Amino acid sequence: GIQVEQSPPDLILQEGANSTLRCNFSDSVNNLQWFHQNPWGQLINLFYIPSGTKQNGRLSATTVATERYSLLYISSSQTTDSGVYFCAVRQGLNRDDKIIFGKGTRLHILP
Amino acid sequence: GAVVSQHPSWVICKSGTSVKIECRSLDFQATTMFWYRQFPKQSLMLMATSNEGSKATYEQGVEKDKFLINHASLTLSTLTVTSAHPEDSSFYICSAPSRAYEQYFGPGTRLTVT
Repeated sequence: GIQVEQSPPDLILQEGANSTLRCNFSDSVNNLQWFHQNPWGQLINLFYIPSGTKQNGRLSATTVATERYSLLYISSSQTTDSGVYFCAVRQGLNRDDKIIFGKGTRLHILP
Repeated sequence: GAVVSQHPSWVICKSGTSVKIECRSLDFQATTMFWYRQFPKQSLMLMATSNEGSKATYEQGVEKDKFLINHASLTLSTLTVTSAHPEDSSFYICSAPSRAYEQYFGPGTRLTVT
């Protein structure tokens, strides 16, 4: 099956710093999403981005489907950005097809 | 965005008892929902796909007789952990795809079996 690899696995930054999280996938996909899991376990949708670039405030994401990777950028980090960031992909065309998660990047922002 | 709820948010039960967890899509219909399990500091592991009106599809290694799934309506799926043991203690999360193909997750249920 498809492999989803995220890097780095852990990241510690000072408040105000910028960061880039990477998601590589081993096969073509029809859907890619980025999530932030907060300390209470809730998965928050960040981006639905099978291709192209999107921005939402201090966060932006780029997916280059032909090269099988996606990047999540966080600018001017805040302590509330701490948590685990997951990339998840779906290979099937049907919205009911399952999605596969990477292992996540654990981000810790120091005040 | 779409909203998915889960109930209960946490539960403590004794070994040998059964626990039911509900997953509801509040503002959209879902013919399919997904159940995940997450251990501390690990990623989400897909357990099964819940299909409205038909049997669930279980991932390899997941005991279907232990984790009973019922998708009774287009907005409700339930996961019952039968004869729970301490090793079943975990964080269980459900999700459902919206019409726009985006996956939305419930807040999760933390199960502790004593």
